[in-house]
Amino acid sequence: NAGVMQNPRHLVRRRGQEARLRCSPMKGHSHVYWYRQLPEEGLKFMVYLQKENIIDESGMPKERFSAEFPKEGPSILRIQQVVRGDSAAYFCASSSDTWTGGVETQYFGPGTRLLVL
Amino acid sequence: RKEVEQDPGPFNVPEGATVAFNCTYSNSASQSFFWYRQDCRKEPKLLMSVYSSGNEDGRFTALLNRASQYISLLIRDSKLSDSATYLCVVTGGATNKLIFGTGTLLAVQP
Repeated sequence: NAGVMQNPRHLVRRRGQEARLRCSPMKGHSHVYWYRQLPEEGLKFMVYLQKENIIDESGMPKERFSAEFPKEGPSILRIQQVVRGDSAAYFCASSSDTWTGGVETQYFGPGTRLLVL
Repeated sequence: RKEVEQDPGPFNVPEGATVAFNCTYSNSASQSFFWYRQDCRKEPKLLMSVYSSGNEDGRFTALLNRASQYISLLIRDSKLSDSATYLCVVTGGATNKLIFGTGTLLAVQP
């Protein structure tokens, strides 16, 4: 059973370009979370999606950032007109559909390291 | 005030030592608590969930004090392979999003 997959693992962009980060959840998972880890900082929640729906985007910057999780295919985190401050590791996590009355464990992908020149 | 606070360390300990990490959280409504481990430039991995009654997994013991909003992790008989950053994590809000502390760096010395 493959884990959470993210690609690319490393992405270099120049200021003003667009960055697209992809996340494929674990098999059987339809809940996807995106987190960002700035250099020397902790992980910060960005957005929570289920298939075709954004459930919680309270951690997303108001401009330039968007996320989607289509019915088919991976979840995409899109950053338009990147700036140097967007350089960070972006982690995706997924959890299962099964409601057990508790909190489902989130499993993390290996991350995409974005460097903006 | 940060939602989850941890001592950043580093904690430098010899092999075989016992080490304890502490963490406080600000939201009394938080429902679930975890310790994750993060190796350098890798993804966080779940070490253990933390239950109100306390729980143990081999050399690791986690404790939760809801009244004081305090979580701890105890590692006994430290191994070199325990060297990592330990992240205190709580859930926030109704959507199960994880709120991370900045982590405590542990370096186990031979």
